[in-house]
Order: sequence, then C-alpha cells, then structure tokens
Amino acid sequence: SQELEQSPQSLIVQEGKNLTINCTSSKTLYGLYWYKQKYGEGLIFLMMLQKGGEEKSHEKITAKLDEKKQQSSLHITASQPSHAGIYLCGADGGGSNYKLTFGKGTLLTVNP
Amino acid sequence: GAGVSQSPSNKVTEKGKDVELRCDPISGHTALYWYRQSLGQGLEFLIYFQGNSAPDKSGLPSDRFSAERTGGSVSTLTIQRTQQEDSAVYLCASSLSGISTDTQYFGPGTRLTVL
Repeated sequence: SQELEQSPQSLIVQEGKNLTINCTSSKTLYGLYWYKQKYGEGLIFLMMLQKGGEEKSHEKITAKLDEKKQQSSLHITASQPSHAGIYLCGADGGGSNYKLTFGKGTLLTVNP
Repeated sequence: GAGVSQSPSNKVTEKGKDVELRCDPISGHTALYWYRQSLGQGLEFLIYFQGNSAPDKSGLPSDRFSAERTGGSVSTLTIQRTQQEDSAVYLCASSLSGISTDTQYFGPGTRLTVL
C-alpha cells in the first residue's frame, strides 16, 4: 500500500518568512492533493498535481510535483498568520483507485 | 454554491450506544466518501459510494460500522455498540465523479466522543 511521509511534522515561522513542506511517497504519484485543515474544521482543497514537473500557484502558495513523481513540495511565500493550520498531502492510487491516502500532516504556526 | 455539510458537528455518546452521522454532498456530485481522522492513525478511508454501484466497504474497521446512501444523495454512517476507540473525527467528502484525480471536497466533520 502507498505511504506518504510529510516533513517537517511541525513548523514555526515568523510572519513574512518563506517556508517549504515536503511530501514523499513510497510509490509513484498519480494524483497528488494538498489540503489545509484548521482545528475543528474540515479539509480545504488547495491544489491538485498530476504530471511530473507540474507546478501550480494560488495566491502565495506554490506546489510542485517532481519529475519522477514521488515527491511534492508546498512553498509559502511571505507567510501570514492566516496561513497557519495543518497541511495534508493526499494521493490516489491511479486508474480506478479513487481512495485517498494521506500523510500525517504538517502543523504550521505563523507568529505575528 | 453550498459545500459538503455534515451533522451533527459534535456527538458525545456512551460506550455501547449506536450513533448515526449524516452527510449531505455537493449537489450534482455522484461520488461520496467517508474518512476517519484519529490521533495516531491520521486520516483513513472508510467507504465509498458511486452512483448505483455497490459501495466499496473495504476501509470499514469492523462489522459494527455500516453506511448507506439514499437516492444517490444523502449518506448516513452508522456505528453500532460504540467503543472508546471509535472516538475520532468522521469526515465526508464528495466528488463530481468517482475517477481518480477527481478532486474530493470535504465537509467540516463530525467529532465523535465515546465515553
């Protein structure tokens, strides 16, 4: 079965700093999803990557899927307190395998 | 438009009681998923519904867990004879279709506490 490892497990940054969160898969990634979760809330969809080398951006968040399709990174530029939360990467098994496997998450704290 | 909604948002129950958790998917979404998020286990898949096809129940942890989806829309997850290890956040998601790479949109979850 596929396993996703996220690093770091937690991260504390000063407002305005850049940061990167990584997600490494034990198998080839077909669909890689990034979600954000705040305590007591559901998962908010951020981005989905499919193709090796693909890069997507939304506001100050950029996600990349490496060429070999076994790792993804999420980069936040000029972090703000509103970026705080738990970032989760999820992956499907490809083809007709719709089930998502998730990493354990990265807890981000942004200090003003 | 409206997102995925779940009810109740919080549920506290006593060990041995049955509970029902409800999910309303996004209108027009044919695929519906249940996941469980617990400390130490992370987020894990429970069950999947797609149209009129037989559901994929491969993630259900025991036969105390069951789910149904009526009319291809609302779904109910039922846990019978609840145990303390069932305490978790139960998340529902829906997608337009059931193919992989089809974005799953999540509800706010139901936090279940079994005393």
